[in-house]
Amino acid sequence: GAGVSQSPSNKVTEKGKDVELRCDPISGHTALYWYRQSLGQGLEFLIYFQGNSAPDKSGLPSDRFSAERTGGSVSTLTIQRTQQEDSAVYLCASSLDSRGGEKLFFGSGTQLSVL
Amino acid sequence: GQQLNQSPQSMFIQEGEDVSMNCTSSSIFNTWLWYKQEPGEGPVLLIALYKAGELTSNGRLTAQFGITRKDSFLNISASIPSDVGIYFCAGRGGSYIPTFGRGTSLIVHP
Repeated sequence: GAGVSQSPSNKVTEKGKDVELRCDPISGHTALYWYRQSLGQGLEFLIYFQGNSAPDKSGLPSDRFSAERTGGSVSTLTIQRTQQEDSAVYLCASSLDSRGGEKLFFGSGTQLSVL
Repeated sequence: GQQLNQSPQSMFIQEGEDVSMNCTSSSIFNTWLWYKQEPGEGPVLLIALYKAGELTSNGRLTAQFGITRKDSFLNISASIPSDVGIYFCAGRGGSYIPTFGRGTSLIVHP
């Protein structure tokens, strides 16, 4: 597609349920990033994928969070046993490669609400 | 880890006024980036800076890479209503992962 696509755009779930958020990066972009944006806060780094290298998971806040990237393209962020503090906008971005990491192209995000 | 302080947190201005915002870092960056986020959208890159002292413009926007490599500034001249949004600075040091500031929320009154 022309841009980074994220789905769903909105997700409401009950505390304790698992959720999956999807990101479809720009075709040909090898680097993919997940960030979390809480109300009034900046963008908190979660995880980074570059090509076939092992992902940088240093930003994941707990072991309830995991992400995978299949075939070097689509990525899924999974949050298990969701908590109310997980409520935020989850943003995905891609870039051409790690050297061009400054030109991150963001999707519109998934607004997650945990009740 | 790296920390970015972005100020001001919010600005309420009249159309036509100039705007200034800045970011300071606890460590040196090799790249400074400025993004704008509009409601319901992801951030969009406005300006990228790669060298200490660099001054770059994009229309009415001008950004500078501080000499110390620990700060950056964004100015918007002659603001218009469509400038409304949240402006984020981001810096990249040795890592390929940009660190973002908390954003400056800009409201422009017609």
